[in-house]
Amino acid sequence: ETGVTQTPRHLVMGMTNKKSLKCEQHLGHNAMYWYKQSAKKPLELMFVYSLEERVENNSVPSRFSPECPNSSHLFLHLHTLQPEDSALYLCASSPDRGYNQPQHFGDGTRLSIL
Amino acid sequence: TQLLEQSPQFLSIQEGENLTVYCNSSSVFSSLQWYRQEPGEGPVLLVTVVTGGEVKKLKRLTFQFGDARKDSSLHITAAQPGDTGLYLCAGFVAVSGNTPLVFGKGTRLSVIA
Repeated sequence: ETGVTQTPRHLVMGMTNKKSLKCEQHLGHNAMYWYKQSAKKPLELMFVYSLEERVENNSVPSRFSPECPNSSHLFLHLHTLQPEDSALYLCASSPDRGYNQPQHFGDGTRLSIL
Repeated sequence: TQLLEQSPQFLSIQEGENLTVYCNSSSVFSSLQWYRQEPGEGPVLLVTVVTGGEVKKLKRLTFQFGDARKDSSLHITAAQPGDTGLYLCAGFVAVSGNTPLVFGKGTRLSVIA
């Protein structure tokens, strides 16, 4: 049992579709993250939320739009994606934002763009 | 430029063998973490090392943080098929203020029975 749950596990969408990825954490953590994992690349941090406020956006294209309605839920809204956006999208949480904080990951959403 | 270089990229060994994988950088880190990721799952934290020269053991896994806090190694004794997975090192660069966790590309380990 991971403590961080992501849905859906798999998603296939066309470039003109709009979809959302959902993440829920049951650990009482204050920080949540979205990462992108592509083949042959290290995990790339996309967004960081601390106490429901976005604190970091690593130059992610605007076709990715995060939302954090409360400290337990995180969404990633997708629209007009490109084939190179196909990847595993991982959500993580940590007790607080800051150095030395361990990250707890969900099992990811495998996204394929047609 | 890769901040954390992991080597080797791929490793395939027989059950019972020993192995070491490496995580190197030219930057100093406040701490380094090691994760293992199995197919279809997210990374799971194995250990965090904080002090230069620190050694931590987790059953058959031994983790070491370099004296200068620029590198780390993971040694597995008598590897088992259950050790198969992607081993990721990640760290927080030692600068003032909050810095994000940066990851290496990982070492993909396959232990054959």
